[in-house]
Amino acid sequence: DGGITQSPKYLFRKEGQNVTLSCEQNLNHDAMYWYRQDPGQGLRLIYYSQIVNDFQKGDIAEGYSVSREKKESFPLTVTSAQKNPTAFYLCASSIGTQQNIQYFGAGTRLSVL
Amino acid sequence: GEDVEQSLFLSVREGDSSVINCTYTDSSSTYLYWYKQEPGAGLQLLTYIFSNMDMKQDQRLTVLLNKKDKHLSLRIADTQTGDSAIYFCAERDAGNNRKLIWGLGTSLAVNP
Repeated sequence: DGGITQSPKYLFRKEGQNVTLSCEQNLNHDAMYWYRQDPGQGLRLIYYSQIVNDFQKGDIAEGYSVSREKKESFPLTVTSAQKNPTAFYLCASSIGTQQNIQYFGAGTRLSVL
Repeated sequence: GEDVEQSLFLSVREGDSSVINCTYTDSSSTYLYWYKQEPGAGLQLLTYIFSNMDMKQDQRLTVLLNKKDKHLSLRIADTQTGDSAIYFCAERDAGNNRKLIWGLGTSLAVNP
C-alpha cells in the first residue's frame, strides 16, 4: 500500500530536549512538507523540500530543523529553541508538478511534559 | 497578501445537502483544493479545481467556482454522519507554486 507514514503518533518532550518526528513516503514523490496545526490556526508551513539534499524554510521555521538525505524520508527535529512545541504535526508529499496536490500522513501529536 | 477565508461552523441534518464556502484573494491562474480532516487524523484530499473551470463534480461532491467574486464552494449531497469533519479550502500560492495558502477550516456537524 502506497502512502505516508508518520511516527510516532504521540510524542512527549521534556524541557530542553530535542525530539525528532519521522516521515516516510513510498509514493516516489519528489516534494515533501512539514506543517504545524494548532487549534483555530489552520496549517502553517514549517519546512519543505523539492529534491534530495535541498530544503527551504516555510513560514514558521524557527526552532525546527530538517534533513532530506533520501527521497523517501524527511525527518523533522523540534529543538529546545522552540518554546511552544505543543501541536499536531503533519507531513505531506507531492509529485512536484504545477498542480501541487499534497497527500498527508496521519500526524504526530507532540506534547511537553 | 494572499488570504483564504472560510466560515468556521456549519450544521446540517442527515440527508440534506451541505454547502461549505470559501473566498480567496489571488487573481492569477491557480489551483484550489478541498481537504477533509477527521478528528485526530491527517488531511484527505477530496477534490481540486483549476481556476479556468466553473464546476467539477465527483459523486456526491460538487465544486463551484466563481472566479469574478473569487468564491469557491463545496456541496456535499445527501450528507451522512460520516461526513462530520473539518473541511479545509486551500489555494496554490501564486508567488511560490510549492506553497499552499490554507483557510482555517469549516467544522461540519451532521445531526441525525
